[in-house]
Amino acid sequence: SAVISQKPSRDICQRGTSLTIQCQVDSQVTMMFWYRQQPGQSLTLIATANQGSEATYESGFVIDKFPISRPNLTFSTLTVSNMSPEDSSIYLCSVTESYEQYFGPGTRLTVT
Amino acid sequence: GESVGLHLPTLSVQEGDNSIINCAYSNSASDYFIWYKQESGKGPQFIIDIRSNMDKRQGQRVTVLLNKTVKHLSLQIAATQPGDSAVYFCAENGSGGYNKLIFGAGTRLAVHP
Repeated sequence: SAVISQKPSRDICQRGTSLTIQCQVDSQVTMMFWYRQQPGQSLTLIATANQGSEATYESGFVIDKFPISRPNLTFSTLTVSNMSPEDSSIYLCSVTESYEQYFGPGTRLTVT
Repeated sequence: GESVGLHLPTLSVQEGDNSIINCAYSNSASDYFIWYKQESGKGPQFIIDIRSNMDKRQGQRVTVLLNKTVKHLSLQIAATQPGDSAVYFCAENGSGGYNKLIFGAGTRLAVHP
C-alpha cells in the first residue's frame, strides 16, 4: 500500500493566521483527498485534488478558506486560512490505490 | 497523543472473545463499503472492504457482513486482542465511485484483559 506522510504532525496556531499542511506520497497517484476530523468525531471529506486541475470541494467547504495545491502526482498541500478555534481538528490526506483508500497520519491543529 | 472517539459509543469486550461492531449506512446507491481502524494519534488504517455483490467477506481474524435489505454492515473480530483496541469506522462510497467516501460515526472498541 502507498506510504503517506504529512507535515507538520501537529501545530498550535493563533486565530486569524493561516497554516499550510503538506502531504507526500511514495508513489504517483491520480487522486488525493483531504479530510477533516473534528475532536471526537468522524471524518468529513473537504475536497478532491487532481493533478493539473482545480480541486473539487464538498458542500460546506470553499476554496478561499481551504485552498489546495496539487503540483505533481506525489504531493499536495492544504491551507487552512484565517483560522478560528472552530478549525481545531485533525486534517488527513488520503489516496486511492487499486480501489482501496489509504490515509496519512494526520495533522493535529489547535487554534487558540 | 490526542484521543479519538471520546464521545463515541463504546463496545467493551474481554480479551479472547469475539467482537461485533455494527454500522447502518445511509445511501441506497452505495455499492462499496470499507472498515477502518483508527488508533489514538494515527490516521485510519484500512481493514477490509466488500462490494455490494457480496454478503460476506473474510480476512485474517476479521469478517465483514453486508445486509443490503436493511442497509446494515457489521465487522466481526475473532479472538479479540488488546491491540484491537481502537475506534472503528465504516465507510460507504455513496454515488461517488470508489473515491468519495462517507464515514459513519465510529465505535470505540475497548479490550480488557
